[in-house]
Amino acid sequence: TQLLEQSPQFLSIQEGENLTVYCNSSSVFSSLQWYRQEPGEGPVLLVTVVTGGEVKKLKRLTFQFGDARKDSSLHITAAQPGDTGLYLCAGAGDMRFGAGTRLTVKP
Amino acid sequence: DAGITQSPRHKVTETGTPVTLRCHQTENHRYMYWYRQDPGHGLRLIHYSYGVKDTDKGEVSDGYSVSRSKTEDFLLTLESATSSQTSVYFCAISERGGAYNEQFFGPGTRLTVL
Repeated sequence: TQLLEQSPQFLSIQEGENLTVYCNSSSVFSSLQWYRQEPGEGPVLLVTVVTGGEVKKLKRLTFQFGDARKDSSLHITAAQPGDTGLYLCAGAGDMRFGAGTRLTVKP
Repeated sequence: DAGITQSPRHKVTETGTPVTLRCHQTENHRYMYWYRQDPGHGLRLIHYSYGVKDTDKGEVSDGYSVSRSKTEDFLLTLESATSSQTSVYFCAISERGGAYNEQFFGPGTRLTVL
């Protein structure tokens, strides 16, 4: 069983601040995915990271896959209220999700 | 947006009654999934399908059955609903499986079992 632990569970920040959320496991993953879910909607895929040490950027979002492929981080620069949501990581082939980090960005 | 619809979107039922949730896709994707989402647990896989009439169990399959008679439809059935099955249910689809199964999710069905 490959468990994914996400931290922090909740994060509330002001607009313009930077933040990092984490996804950790004791198991090795062939790939990890990050999703964002807004209230009342299904999750939406943000990125898939495959290679250990890989860094992907999506506008103000930077995703990193750990060298050992056991962990990943999501960094948001200059957060905006539109970034508010539940951020979920998932082991792609395993179809398991972490419990998520609920981010609130206040104007 | 991927063409995925779920029906019904909301349902209230009583303990012991059968319930069927429907997922319909227009993308012709091979893989389809049913998840439930509960506070503190994230998304948990119930069942998935890798082709017509090909299904397999997920992490929390007890009390649920599925059927896929057509590529576009994946049905989730609760034979005798219990209060512990009160949840939000999401259907997802993907073109590929394994490490590259980038999933697209439907809007969800909120089920309440009284």
